[in-house]
Amino acid sequence: EADIYQTPRYLVIGTGKKITLECSQTMGHDKMYWYQQDPGMELHLIHYSYGVNSTEKGDLSSESTVSRIRTEHFPLTLESARPSHTSQYLCASSPPPGAGNTIYFGEGSWLTVV
Amino acid sequence: KNQVEQSPQSLIILEGKNCTLQCNYTVSPFSNLRWYKQDTGRGPVSLTIMTFSENTKSNGRYTATLDADTKQSSLHITASQLSDSASYICVVSDRGSTLGRLYFGRGTQLTVWP
Repeated sequence: EADIYQTPRYLVIGTGKKITLECSQTMGHDKMYWYQQDPGMELHLIHYSYGVNSTEKGDLSSESTVSRIRTEHFPLTLESARPSHTSQYLCASSPPPGAGNTIYFGEGSWLTVV
Repeated sequence: KNQVEQSPQSLIILEGKNCTLQCNYTVSPFSNLRWYKQDTGRGPVSLTIMTFSENTKSNGRYTATLDADTKQSSLHITASQLSDSASYICVVSDRGSTLGRLYFGRGTQLTVWP
């Protein structure tokens, strides 16, 4: 069982609102990721982090931002939500090389912007 | 272009029957291939992971095979159960970067009927 948690699981917000999706892991992993997944489609990497104070943009252009002040937390923020941001957001983490190749995913946050 | 293609897109089988899901990839240089199970509205959960030197790996009723020469993998599910209904995602990692970039297939949606 993976120790990676996302909140909220489901959220409906109005256009223009600011929202932060929380992600926490208790496995001490340095690498963390945010993926965006539309129904029936593949996951797209939007942000990743190698460790504290490290953040990088992923393959899919995203208007969201992330921060990594502590190893355990990797929150994702949308400053001004739009209907096009409606999607599922998945947080993940992975152990260092040599400690296994499994990537652990959270349960996901379903965001609907109306 | 690095891609992961899965087939079939969807599949319906009766409880107790076996099935095989396919994954073809063009990712290079290849590092490893993973199969994930994703229940509706949940995060992906790892089933198997195989490196270049492995050609088969089992996890209970799930058996994955890998042919690195033809760049094909399959996931065989034996004696299917209703709880096997989910999306099965093939994920291929390259070794061309520190991140170990992941390439996701769109998944095969499996439905098991009683």
